[in-house]
Amino acid sequence: AQTVTQSQPEMSVQEAETVTLSCTYDTSESNYYLFWYKQPPSRQMILVIRQEAYKQQNATENRFSVNFQKAAKSFSLKISDSQLGDTAMYFCAFNNNDMRFGAGTRLTVKP
Amino acid sequence: DAGVTQSPTHLIKTRGQQVTLRCSPKSGHDTVSWYQQALGQGPQFIFQYYEEEERQRGNFPDRFSGHQFPNYSSELNVNALLLGDSALYLCASSFWWPTGSLYGYTFGSGTRLTVV
Repeated sequence: AQTVTQSQPEMSVQEAETVTLSCTYDTSESNYYLFWYKQPPSRQMILVIRQEAYKQQNATENRFSVNFQKAAKSFSLKISDSQLGDTAMYFCAFNNNDMRFGAGTRLTVKP
Repeated sequence: DAGVTQSPTHLIKTRGQQVTLRCSPKSGHDTVSWYQQALGQGPQFIFQYYEEEERQRGNFPDRFSGHQFPNYSSELNVNALLLGDSALYLCASSFWWPTGSLYGYTFGSGTRLTVV
């Protein structure tokens, strides 16, 4: 079974600075997808960024980028120019035939 | 284009009762997955329905059951409710990509179940 580990329960960052959230996973599969989701207090799970395991190039979406290290089974999320609206729970997720989530990191952006 | 719709948004039940939660998938999606999210934790996979059958199941007891209808909507049923079943229940819809992977995962806003 696939497992996803987020080792940082809580993090904080000053507005406009950069923060990196860590994620590791365990799988025997070679073809899969990795995701970062954001869940604000509204409860809605919002897709932040997506990475296909067969692509070596790291995915980027505006201020959000990932560092995907397939051999190390590591998938970290970097948020640049942090904004107050980035305050939320962030979940790393692994998808092959179904989506499995880590325990989450609570990110607080301070003014 | 409506996204994933879940009902009800909130629900209070008494221990030992039964509950049914409902999910309408996003247009074009044929697969529905259910998750339980306890307060402050990540979503835990309950099961997945495709072609009206349960295709995969997480580590949940038989008290948790489901159904998928021909229009792809789905229900989650929980029998003999326990206090520990109190959680946010999320539904996600998706479709199968030709490569054999699920694509387009879209979540609803969830149903907050409180068992007293």
